[in-house]
Amino acid sequence: NAGVTQTPKFQVLKTGQSMTLQCAQDMNHEYMSWYRQDPGMGLRLIHYSVGAGITDQGEVPNGYNVSRSTTEDFPLRLELAAPSQTSVYFCASTKGTSGKNEQFFGPGTRLTVL
Amino acid sequence: ILNVEQSPQSLHVQEGDSTNFTCSFPSSNFYALHWYRWETAKSPEALFVMTLNGDEKKKGRISATLNTKEGYSYLYIKGSQPEDSATYLCAHQKSNQFYFGTGTSLTVIP
Repeated sequence: NAGVTQTPKFQVLKTGQSMTLQCAQDMNHEYMSWYRQDPGMGLRLIHYSVGAGITDQGEVPNGYNVSRSTTEDFPLRLELAAPSQTSVYFCASTKGTSGKNEQFFGPGTRLTVL
Repeated sequence: ILNVEQSPQSLHVQEGDSTNFTCSFPSSNFYALHWYRWETAKSPEALFVMTLNGDEKKKGRISATLNTKEGYSYLYIKGSQPEDSATYLCAHQKSNQFYFGTGTSLTVIP
């Protein structure tokens, strides 16, 4: 199993540009989520999904959109990138929807918005 | 937003020392508490998922306890080794959402 994969690993955008961060898992996990990691702050939940076709907002959803058309994929879309979105982004997945299971994290995407 | 606090922020210990960290979280409507180990340039790896008051979990030299009534969890490392150097994160799970602390950075000096 590849586990949780993320692409790209690094990205530089200009303010106002759009892009999609890709996340995929091959463990048939129902729950997937996106976090951002900023200096001095804990991982903060952006959006999550408890199954295909179902998404919900986390702690810091503004400026981000997600979709979950398949169990495997959970892309994160930035429509109008802003410097405040410079961060490291982690995708994670968990078996089952009860949530009391360990999360598996992807390797992260380091995004810089100029 | 649920405030999850970890202490200390950083810690340096000598190889062979035992150490412990604290994670505090709101005690009301407890669901689950997670501990992760995060090495530099890698992604967080799950250590423990704890759900019941009084839970004790162990993995090798690392163990954790949980007190949901007072809202804290301790992570213990016995006989620290240089390879234990990492940031240790805790996360309070509330239904389908996870709230992370800022972590305790451990450096084990050979």
